[in-house]
Amino acid sequence: DQQVKQNSPSLSVQEGRISILNCDYTNSMFDYFLWYKKYPAEGPTFLISISSIKDKNEDGRFTVFLNKSAKHLSLHIVPSQPGDSAVYFCAATLISGGYQKVTFGTGTKLQVIP
Amino acid sequence: NAGVTQTPKFRILKIGQSMTLQCTQDMNHNYMYWYRQDPGMGLKLIYYSVGAGITDKGEVPNGYNVSRSTTEDFPLRLELAAPSQTSVYFCASSFHRGGGANVLTFGAGSRLTVL
Repeated sequence: DQQVKQNSPSLSVQEGRISILNCDYTNSMFDYFLWYKKYPAEGPTFLISISSIKDKNEDGRFTVFLNKSAKHLSLHIVPSQPGDSAVYFCAATLISGGYQKVTFGTGTKLQVIP
Repeated sequence: NAGVTQTPKFRILKIGQSMTLQCTQDMNHNYMYWYRQDPGMGLKLIYYSVGAGITDKGEVPNGYNVSRSTTEDFPLRLELAAPSQTSVYFCASSFHRGGGANVLTFGAGSRLTVL
């Protein structure tokens, strides 16, 4: 069962505009949500996280919003830059068996057009 | 600071061959992980370790083995390679002692093809 879903495999946005990447989850026990960014031929790198007790976290051009009632989170990138073109993975964590288990979504490929 | 280092970056195996993917981290992280990423799929957890001498299965452990004799190293062993194991493999590590988000640091990946 796919507990963390990214339903849009790809997204194209003009440079300078807002990019919105979405993620849905099914397990209400997740305690943290994270976004990772992945360039080709590299490993994913951590971008931003949010605790399940918060509804917003901001870091520079990146803001993550969490809607617990809808079990939905989104990553906003404003303004989008060509260097933001990458695959973005949503991840969620919960404590299971004394270990903080991490579940990843399938990724959304963002293309920022100059 | 090298972070997480994986070797080899690329490998082609014949069906039935064995090999070991090496992973080492120099950040003194307690947690280490192996993930595989298939095209159009997310990252699937193969095995993880919460410390030296302790390993456990993830979502897709069949066909793989791991060991964690030191904090730094977490090799992944494929005993009898099968075409279904063609994938990109990522090793990751994190430092987590409870509380806060568990942020993983990933290696650059190892692309394995089984023919």
